[in-house]
Amino acid sequence: QVEMVESGGGVVQPGRSLRLSCTASGFAFGTYGMHWVRQPPGKGLEWVASIWYDGSDKSYVESLRGRITISRDNSKSTLFLQMNSLTAGDTALYFCARENLLLGYGAFDIWGQGTAVTVSS
Amino acid sequence: SSEVTQDPAVSVALGQTVRITCQGDGITTSYATWFQQKPGQAPRLVIYGKNNRPSGIPDRFSGSRSGDTASLTITGTQAEDEADYFCTSRDIDNNRFVFGTGTKVTVL
Repeated sequence: QVEMVESGGGVVQPGRSLRLSCTASGFAFGTYGMHWVRQPPGKGLEWVASIWYDGSDKSYVESLRGRITISRDNSKSTLFLQMNSLTAGDTALYFCARENLLLGYGAFDIWGQGTAVTVSS
Repeated sequence: SSEVTQDPAVSVALGQTVRITCQGDGITTSYATWFQQKPGQAPRLVIYGKNNRPSGIPDRFSGSRSGDTASLTITGTQAEDEADYFCTSRDIDNNRFVFGTGTKVTVL
């Protein structure tokens, strides 16, 4: 069964850091590019970051560049998102998504259920 | 492709056809992909590439593109199609993506 499960979310104070994880199962994780997408409560989707299948290339949304780092451990089928200097604007549900290049760019065909991050004092 | 716009909401009668559009510079060079999201659920891919559906997506969903505008059409809309729909566009220069603002489809 193909599945991805996010973890690491929670309530965190402004200015603190958080590392999110996404553990995949049921497919060859190390052969797919991966993405993080977030969704503030009641709002739309925002693409956050991506990483190539081997970790050799990474891209970030410009507004978060410098505060976040995407990484992966293919030996553990796990994707990470390190977020620093958190603000209330980072409050959102964070999804990981698999990009299936056999279908085409942007074909995010598998999604996790998300992990909620709330930044509040 | 810094911004991708969609109409905020559209309503459609049961069994009728609805078209949702998505406009942005990046769409001229890269096909948009479309996602359906129902309350409390993760997004689900419904259209990718020129006009392709993943396994399990009904053939009443179709996609097209003209210039900087991509469209998702639902022909013979069913009650279960009521959801938010998002497109995403890729900037080929830096491999960044941007999601459209989303369209809420209400089935009457």
